[in-house]
Amino acid sequence: DAGVIQSPRHEVTEMGQEVTLRCKPISGHDYLFWYRQTMMRGLELLIYFNNNVPIDDSGMPEDRFSAKMPNASFSTLKIQPSEPRDSAVYFCASRLAGQGNNEQFFGPGTRLTVL
Amino acid sequence: SQQGEEDPQALSIQEGENATMNCSYKTSINNLQWYRQNSGRGLVHLILIRSNEREKHSGRLRVTLDTSKKSSSLLITASRAADTASYFCAPHGGSNYKLTFGKGTLLTVNP
Repeated sequence: DAGVIQSPRHEVTEMGQEVTLRCKPISGHDYLFWYRQTMMRGLELLIYFNNNVPIDDSGMPEDRFSAKMPNASFSTLKIQPSEPRDSAVYFCASRLAGQGNNEQFFGPGTRLTVL
Repeated sequence: SQQGEEDPQALSIQEGENATMNCSYKTSINNLQWYRQNSGRGLVHLILIRSNEREKHSGRLRVTLDTSKKSSSLLITASRAADTASYFCAPHGGSNYKLTFGKGTLLTVNP
């Protein structure tokens, strides 16, 4: 299995632009998580899905952020308009419900820089 | 879910020495996981310990759990330069699948 795939790996954009981050979870996994990591705030859970349905989006910082999961193999996190304070590494993770070890599998992350 | 707090924030040791990291949490849990993050990479699951377990081993890793003190420790024995990474704990309770991570312990193993 290729693991969780994220694209792009690096994104540099200017303030005000729309940014779309993409994630392909591990095949067969039914939970998908989006995290954001910064030095100041650490690793924060933004939103998670179960069977393509958003379950908890309480971590989404504001309305500029939106996430979708149109099917079991694809999710997007969109920021519109982007701001410099959105600069961070964004991780996607997936897991399979019922796994006894409760393990989440993380992708390599997308490093976003908003100028 | 609840957040674990790792201690110390940073730890620097020589290769071959043992490294101990601690995690504290606030409410009752079902299990607690430890993850490793190498620089520029995503987190990787290391080990899970359940609330009814006190100690667990996996290779050079030893995890302990003290539910009365709401704390866990991760011991890495005979450390190697490749163990240089950030280590995070994730205490988990309740029926949802959320994990909340702290800021981690940055371990540096000097060759």
